[in-house]
Amino acid sequence: DAKTTQPTSMDCAEGRAANLPCNHSTISGNEYVYWYRQIHSQGPQYIIHGLKNNETNEMASLIITEDRKSSTLILPHATLRDTAVYYCIVRAPFETSGSRLTFGEGTQLTVNP
Amino acid sequence: EADIYQTPRYLVIGTGKKITLECSQTMGHDKMYWYQQDPGMELHLIHYSYGVNSTEKGDLSSESTVSRIRTEHFPLTLESARPSHTSQYLCASQSDAIDTQYFGPGTRLTVL
Repeated sequence: DAKTTQPTSMDCAEGRAANLPCNHSTISGNEYVYWYRQIHSQGPQYIIHGLKNNETNEMASLIITEDRKSSTLILPHATLRDTAVYYCIVRAPFETSGSRLTFGEGTQLTVNP
Repeated sequence: EADIYQTPRYLVIGTGKKITLECSQTMGHDKMYWYQQDPGMELHLIHYSYGVNSTEKGDLSSESTVSRIRTEHFPLTLESARPSHTSQYLCASQSDAIDTQYFGPGTRLTVL
């Protein structure tokens, strides 16, 4: 699976959009970009994933660049409860990767009042 | 939202005890996983199962064992707990519909 690079930490004001970047310059054509987050002491929570098109759900939006070498997770209106470590993971479908999720260090997002 | 449960949430035991950490899911997922995570550190896969009677060791060596007799149940056992086993243990199951994993709340184990 391709390696990802994320900033160690970010701050965001409550109510503003949080934009979390991720670089994955060695991504392969069949690899998806997944985002999870982990609130302190809890299990990781799935947020969103995509292949090459931008995706949106009730939690967030995922913007993938045209060359697929980077992506941005957007939380449109961050709240204090969004404070967590956010993980960007690149992974091939189960049929080729065996579903291994490799979590890196992630980005610690702190939403401030 | 996924329905995956882990018990106990917290456990403090003495060295040498045998313990079993429970994990159950009600979604009928075939694939289930156990991860280990120390505070502030990365998650590491220690066991996984792709269905009943299927179990495999993960990327991180672990002295624990697992079993998968029923689809919904994937318990993890430590025959003789040691202080080095102190960690958080996270269970996950996988949805084939969208090829992603859902995690339980975790069990925080402390071995004295």
